[in-house]
Amino acid sequence: RKEVEQDPGPFNVPEGATVAFNCTYSNSASQSFFWYRQDCRKEPKLLMSVYSSGNEDGRFTAQLNRASQYISLLIRDSKLSDSATYLCVVNRGKTSYDKVIFGPGTSLSVIP
Amino acid sequence: ETGVTQTPRHLVMGMTNKKSLKCEQHLGHNAMYWYKQSAKKPLELMFVYNFKEQTENNSVPSRFSPECPNSSHLFLHLHTLQPEDSALYLCASSQDSKAGAYEQYFGPGTRLTVT
Repeated sequence: RKEVEQDPGPFNVPEGATVAFNCTYSNSASQSFFWYRQDCRKEPKLLMSVYSSGNEDGRFTAQLNRASQYISLLIRDSKLSDSATYLCVVNRGKTSYDKVIFGPGTSLSVIP
Repeated sequence: ETGVTQTPRHLVMGMTNKKSLKCEQHLGHNAMYWYKQSAKKPLELMFVYNFKEQTENNSVPSRFSPECPNSSHLFLHLHTLQPEDSALYLCASSQDSKAGAYEQYFGPGTRLTVT
Protein backbone atom coordinates (compact mmCIF):
# COMPACT_ATOMS: atom_id res chain seq x y z
CA ARG A 1 0.00 0.00 0.00
CA LYS A 2 1.32 3.46 -0.89
CA GLU A 3 1.89 5.79 2.02
CA VAL A 4 -0.32 8.52 0.57
CA GLU A 5 -3.12 7.67 -1.81
CA GLN A 6 -5.47 9.82 -3.84
CA ASP A 7 -8.14 9.14 -6.43
CA PRO A 8 -6.33 10.09 -9.65
CA GLY A 9 -9.52 11.20 -11.39
CA PRO A 10 -9.89 12.96 -13.68
CA PHE A 11 -12.81 14.78 -12.15
CA ASN A 12 -14.73 16.62 -14.87
CA VAL A 13 -17.25 19.01 -13.34
CA PRO A 14 -19.32 21.92 -14.69
CA GLU A 15 -18.69 25.47 -13.55
CA GLY A 16 -20.42 26.20 -10.28
CA ALA A 17 -20.33 22.61 -9.08
CA THR A 18 -19.06 21.44 -5.72
CA VAL A 19 -16.33 18.83 -5.81
CA ALA A 20 -14.58 16.92 -3.03
CA PHE A 21 -11.25 15.13 -3.01
CA ASN A 22 -10.08 12.61 -0.46
CA CYS A 23 -6.58 11.57 0.48
CA THR A 24 -5.64 8.69 2.75
CA TYR A 25 -2.34 8.16 4.54
CA SER A 26 -0.99 5.02 6.14
CA ASN A 27 1.43 6.32 8.79
CA SER A 28 -0.51 7.17 11.93
CA ALA A 29 2.46 9.17 13.22
CA SER A 30 2.05 11.75 10.45
CA GLN A 31 2.01 15.23 11.85
CA SER A 32 1.42 17.88 9.22
CA PHE A 33 -0.82 17.95 6.19
CA PHE A 34 -1.15 20.24 3.19
CA TRP A 35 -2.96 20.60 -0.09
CA TYR A 36 -1.01 21.91 -3.07
CA ARG A 37 -2.20 22.58 -6.59
CA GLN A 38 -0.11 22.05 -9.68
CA ASP A 39 -1.00 23.51 -13.04
CA CYS A 40 0.12 21.72 -16.19
CA ARG A 41 3.90 21.96 -16.60
CA LYS A 42 4.22 24.29 -13.62
CA GLU A 43 5.53 23.91 -10.10
CA PRO A 44 3.30 22.93 -7.16
CA LYS A 45 1.94 25.83 -5.13
CA LEU A 46 0.56 25.67 -1.63
CA LEU A 47 -3.22 25.85 -1.55
CA MET A 48 -3.75 25.46 2.16
CA SER A 49 -2.50 23.77 5.27
CA VAL A 50 -4.86 21.32 6.95
CA TYR A 51 -5.50 21.74 10.64
CA SER A 52 -7.10 19.31 13.06
CA SER A 53 -10.07 21.61 13.55
CA GLY A 54 -10.61 21.99 9.83
CA ASN A 55 -10.08 25.22 8.00
CA GLU A 56 -11.69 27.26 5.27
CA ASP A 57 -10.29 29.73 2.78
CA GLY A 58 -12.95 31.25 0.58
CA ARG A 59 -14.42 28.51 -1.59
CA PHE A 60 -11.98 25.91 -0.25
CA THR A 61 -12.48 23.82 2.88
CA ALA A 62 -9.99 21.29 4.22
CA GLN A 63 -10.73 18.65 6.84
CA LEU A 64 -8.53 16.21 8.72
CA ASN A 65 -9.77 12.94 10.23
CA ARG A 66 -6.92 11.46 12.25
CA ALA A 67 -8.92 8.45 13.41
CA SER A 68 -9.61 7.35 9.84
CA GLN A 69 -6.34 8.78 8.52
CA TYR A 70 -7.71 10.85 5.72
CA ILE A 71 -7.85 14.46 4.68
CA SER A 72 -10.30 16.07 2.34
CA LEU A 73 -10.58 19.15 0.18
CA LEU A 74 -13.92 20.63 -0.79
CA ILE A 75 -14.19 23.19 -3.57
CA ARG A 76 -17.46 25.09 -3.85
CA ASP A 77 -18.70 27.07 -6.84
CA SER A 78 -15.98 25.69 -9.12
CA LYS A 79 -14.30 28.10 -11.54
CA LEU A 80 -12.57 27.33 -14.81
CA SER A 81 -9.35 28.50 -13.15
CA ASP A 82 -9.64 25.71 -10.58
CA SER A 83 -8.64 23.20 -13.28
CA ALA A 84 -5.38 21.69 -12.05
CA THR A 85 -3.94 18.69 -10.26
CA TYR A 86 -4.43 18.74 -6.50
CA LEU A 87 -1.67 17.18 -4.44
CA CYS A 88 -2.08 15.88 -0.93
CA VAL A 89 1.11 16.22 1.14
CA VAL A 90 1.84 14.46 4.40
CA ASN A 91 4.78 15.09 6.74
CA ARG A 92 5.62 11.92 8.56
CA GLY A 93 7.28 13.81 11.35
CA LYS A 94 7.15 17.20 12.92
CA THR A 95 9.76 18.84 10.76
CA SER A 96 10.14 19.02 7.03
CA TYR A 97 13.33 17.06 7.23
CA ASP A 98 11.35 14.13 8.37
CA LYS A 99 9.78 12.27 5.52
CA VAL A 100 7.71 14.42 3.21
CA ILE A 101 5.38 12.40 1.04
CA PHE A 102 3.44 13.75 -1.91
CA GLY A 103 0.38 11.94 -3.11
CA PRO A 104 0.03 11.16 -6.81
CA GLY A 105 -2.48 13.96 -7.28
CA THR A 106 -6.09 14.26 -8.38
CA SER A 107 -6.80 15.90 -11.71
CA LEU A 108 -9.69 18.35 -11.91
CA SER A 109 -11.16 19.81 -15.08
CA VAL A 110 -13.87 22.43 -14.71
CA ILE A 111 -15.96 22.59 -17.85
CA PRO A 112 -17.84 25.68 -19.11
CA GLU B 1 5.71 35.68 -7.53
CA THR B 2 7.82 32.76 -6.35
CA GLY B 3 10.85 33.57 -4.24
CA VAL B 4 12.64 30.47 -5.49
CA THR B 5 14.48 30.62 -8.78
CA GLN B 6 16.02 27.79 -10.78
CA THR B 7 18.41 27.75 -13.72
CA PRO B 8 18.46 26.55 -16.37
CA ARG B 9 14.77 26.10 -17.08
CA HIS B 10 15.45 23.54 -19.79
CA LEU B 11 18.47 21.29 -20.25
CA VAL B 12 19.31 18.65 -22.83
CA MET B 13 22.41 16.61 -22.11
CA GLY B 14 24.09 13.49 -23.35
CA MET B 15 24.82 10.55 -21.10
CA THR B 16 28.51 11.41 -20.86
CA ASN B 17 28.03 15.11 -20.03
CA LYS B 18 28.44 16.82 -16.69
CA LYS B 19 26.06 19.63 -15.85
CA SER B 20 24.73 21.40 -12.77
CA LEU B 21 21.32 22.68 -11.79
CA LYS B 22 21.13 25.77 -9.64
CA CYS B 23 18.51 26.89 -7.16
CA GLU B 24 18.36 30.12 -5.19
CA GLN B 25 15.80 31.14 -2.61
CA HIS B 26 15.16 34.75 -1.61
CA LEU B 27 12.80 33.98 1.27
CA GLY B 28 15.24 33.70 4.15
CA HIS B 29 14.36 30.03 4.62
CA ASN B 30 16.62 27.54 6.32
CA ALA B 31 15.71 24.31 4.54
CA MET B 32 16.02 23.44 0.87
CA TYR B 33 14.97 20.40 -1.13
CA TRP B 34 15.44 18.68 -4.47
CA TYR B 35 12.54 16.75 -5.97
CA LYS B 36 12.19 14.71 -9.13
CA GLN B 37 8.89 14.61 -11.01
CA SER B 38 8.63 12.07 -13.81
CA ALA B 39 5.67 11.86 -16.14
CA LYS B 40 2.58 10.39 -14.45
CA LYS B 41 4.45 9.77 -11.17
CA PRO B 42 4.26 11.52 -7.80
CA LEU B 43 6.95 13.92 -6.74
CA GLU B 44 9.93 12.06 -5.33
CA LEU B 45 11.97 13.72 -2.61
CA MET B 46 15.68 13.36 -3.43
CA PHE B 47 17.65 15.47 -0.95
CA VAL B 48 16.98 17.71 2.01
CA TYR B 49 19.31 20.32 3.45
CA ASN B 50 18.57 21.95 6.76
CA PHE B 51 20.87 24.73 7.92
CA LYS B 52 23.20 23.71 5.07
CA GLU B 53 23.52 20.15 6.34
CA GLN B 54 22.18 17.27 4.34
CA THR B 55 19.57 15.54 6.44
CA GLU B 56 18.02 13.22 3.93
CA ASN B 57 19.13 11.26 0.92
CA ASN B 58 16.43 9.04 -0.40
CA SER B 59 18.65 6.35 -1.92
CA VAL B 60 19.41 8.56 -4.88
CA PRO B 61 22.03 7.19 -7.33
CA SER B 62 25.48 8.68 -6.97
CA ARG B 63 25.27 10.20 -10.45
CA PHE B 64 23.26 12.93 -8.67
CA SER B 65 25.39 14.96 -6.28
CA PRO B 66 23.91 17.82 -4.24
CA GLU B 67 25.78 20.81 -2.87
CA CYS B 68 24.54 23.47 -0.48
CA PRO B 69 27.19 26.18 0.01
CA ASN B 70 24.88 28.40 2.07
CA SER B 71 21.27 28.52 3.15
CA SER B 72 20.20 30.41 0.02
CA HIS B 73 21.80 28.29 -2.69
CA LEU B 74 21.45 24.69 -3.69
CA PHE B 75 23.05 22.84 -6.58
CA LEU B 76 22.47 19.46 -8.14
CA HIS B 77 25.50 18.17 -10.02
CA LEU B 78 24.75 15.67 -12.74
CA HIS B 79 27.11 13.21 -14.43
CA THR B 80 26.75 10.09 -16.56
CA LEU B 81 22.98 10.25 -16.43
CA GLN B 82 20.62 7.72 -17.99
CA PRO B 83 17.64 8.40 -20.27
CA GLU B 84 15.28 7.42 -17.42
CA ASP B 85 16.62 10.40 -15.46
CA SER B 86 14.74 12.68 -17.84
CA ALA B 87 12.23 14.52 -15.67
CA LEU B 88 11.28 17.82 -14.11
CA TYR B 89 13.63 18.65 -11.25
CA LEU B 90 12.09 20.92 -8.67
CA CYS B 91 13.77 22.85 -5.91
CA ALA B 92 11.85 23.98 -2.84
CA SER B 93 12.54 25.80 0.39
CA SER B 94 10.83 26.17 3.73
CA GLN B 95 11.32 27.86 7.06
CA ASP B 96 11.72 24.87 9.27
CA SER B 97 11.82 24.57 12.99
CA LYS B 98 11.44 21.85 15.55
CA ALA B 99 8.08 23.32 16.47
CA GLY B 100 6.55 22.05 13.29
CA ALA B 101 6.71 21.70 9.57
CA TYR B 102 5.98 24.65 7.38
CA GLU B 103 4.84 24.83 3.82
CA GLN B 104 7.35 24.51 1.02
CA TYR B 105 7.76 27.01 -1.77
CA PHE B 106 8.78 25.61 -5.12
CA GLY B 107 10.87 26.98 -7.92
CA PRO B 108 9.67 26.68 -11.54
CA GLY B 109 11.79 23.59 -12.14
CA THR B 110 14.37 22.47 -14.66
CA ARG B 111 13.05 20.22 -17.40
CA LEU B 112 15.88 17.79 -18.08
CA THR B 113 16.16 15.56 -21.13
CA VAL B 114 18.92 12.98 -21.28
CA THR B 115 19.71 11.76 -24.78
